[in-house]
Amino acid sequence: GQQLNQSPQSMFIQEGEDVSMNCTSSSIFNTWLWYKQEPGEGPVLLIALYKAGELTSNGRLTAQFGITRKDSFLNISASIPSDVGIYFCAGQLRAFNNDMRFGAGTRLTVKP
Amino acid sequence: DGGITQSPKYLFRKEGQNVTLSCEQNLNHDAMYWYRQDPGQGLRLIYYSQIVNDFQKGDIAEGYSVSREKKESFPLTVTSAQKNPTAFYLCASSIQLGGNQPQHFGDGTRLSIL
Repeated sequence: GQQLNQSPQSMFIQEGEDVSMNCTSSSIFNTWLWYKQEPGEGPVLLIALYKAGELTSNGRLTAQFGITRKDSFLNISASIPSDVGIYFCAGQLRAFNNDMRFGAGTRLTVKP
Repeated sequence: DGGITQSPKYLFRKEGQNVTLSCEQNLNHDAMYWYRQDPGQGLRLIYYSQIVNDFQKGDIAEGYSVSREKKESFPLTVTSAQKNPTAFYLCASSIQLGGNQPQHFGDGTRLSIL
């Protein structure tokens, strides 16, 4: 099945900087999810978005469900060293979890 | 603590051998999933199960098999027919298959060829 286009592939930033990453697709999605994965571990859910235009925050993280339902972005403000990891977007095509599509991930490195 | 437990963390497979990866959850979730993760790619669905004694093929089921005899358990067997098994395997679960219920993941099993 079609995967999502996630960008950038990697980011190297200074501690304290803001970060932005996004996912796009040619398909319309019901749900957008953002996960973080640290080395040797499974992805951990950060934010779930359920309606077009929805803007949701979780601490320093903010994510939006695009109006067209074909994209989503994740922002991290005032990055800290523990933000390091791989961030994945996931989109649910229909209201069934067997139809989830994943981005390839954005690898974030934060320099102290 | 409720969660998803995958074991072992690392597994090595010899040529022609079948190996089984364990996934157990105590979240009382009906639906469970197996994904394969390769470097630079998104997760790909191998198999999923909506309920006990039921499972369906995902996008890349060839060379894999599963069973769902108990609600808590969804083991994955990587058979000798899977010619490129080296990958990170992730198990996930959700409250149910339908509806907007996010999936929660285990910590994965890394499988390598000897």
